[in-house]
Amino acid sequence: QSVLTQPPSVSGAPGQRVTISCTGTTSNIGAPYDVHWYQQLPGTAPKLLIYGNSNRPSGVPDRFSGSKSGTSASLAITGLQPEDEADYYCQSYDRSLSGSVFGGGTKLTVI
Amino acid sequence: QVQLVESGGGVVQPGRSLRLSCTASGFTFRNYGMHWVRQAPGKGLEWVAVIWHDGNNKYYVDSVKGRFTISRDNSKNTLDLQMNSLRAEDTAVYYCARGIAADGYRFDYWGQGTLVTVSS
Repeated sequence: QSVLTQPPSVSGAPGQRVTISCTGTTSNIGAPYDVHWYQQLPGTAPKLLIYGNSNRPSGVPDRFSGSKSGTSASLAITGLQPEDEADYYCQSYDRSLSGSVFGGGTKLTVI
Repeated sequence: QVQLVESGGGVVQPGRSLRLSCTASGFTFRNYGMHWVRQAPGKGLEWVAVIWHDGNNKYYVDSVKGRFTISRDNSKNTLDLQMNSLRAEDTAVYYCARGIAADGYRFDYWGQGTLVTVSS
């Protein structure tokens, strides 16, 4: 059972928009600590996708965006492409646990 | 460019020990907190431990407290994870990751991971 809750899977057709939710508590996202998102392509290490709730590292397409409100956060992907098929994880810090916490991950399928 | 290369994984019997290492290059290692994050086969990511830039503070996930020890050598740009009393549930790919401390941590660079299998 992960501290942050994500849907196990989402899907969309090429060109469509999908969102992935990440729900926490007042001990982490609502504390408020920043939420970060990672993309993990099959067989590879995770890659930082969104940091500080809504910021993109250099090189990440603007098709990816993040937002946060209260104890929840969301990752939106517009103009879906086949290469976006991956696992996506949210991450924050939990003051009760004194450590970083992840969501359980969401598998994105581009159908 | 930033590089993190893990080593030391392998197959180990329950109750035994294993030491993982991570060699960093391409950045000023002593300026950054460093983390270990693991991923059990087919499962999600789990943060394991952090060591501050100067090595003076260390924190662990509850499930490894008292069994794992994180350490670093800033003169050699290396990060280690000493894992004792290993259990089957410690089986995972272990990643080292560079941490950026700002309202918690984010992990901006990751190694390729090293697989630890705990099995008799």
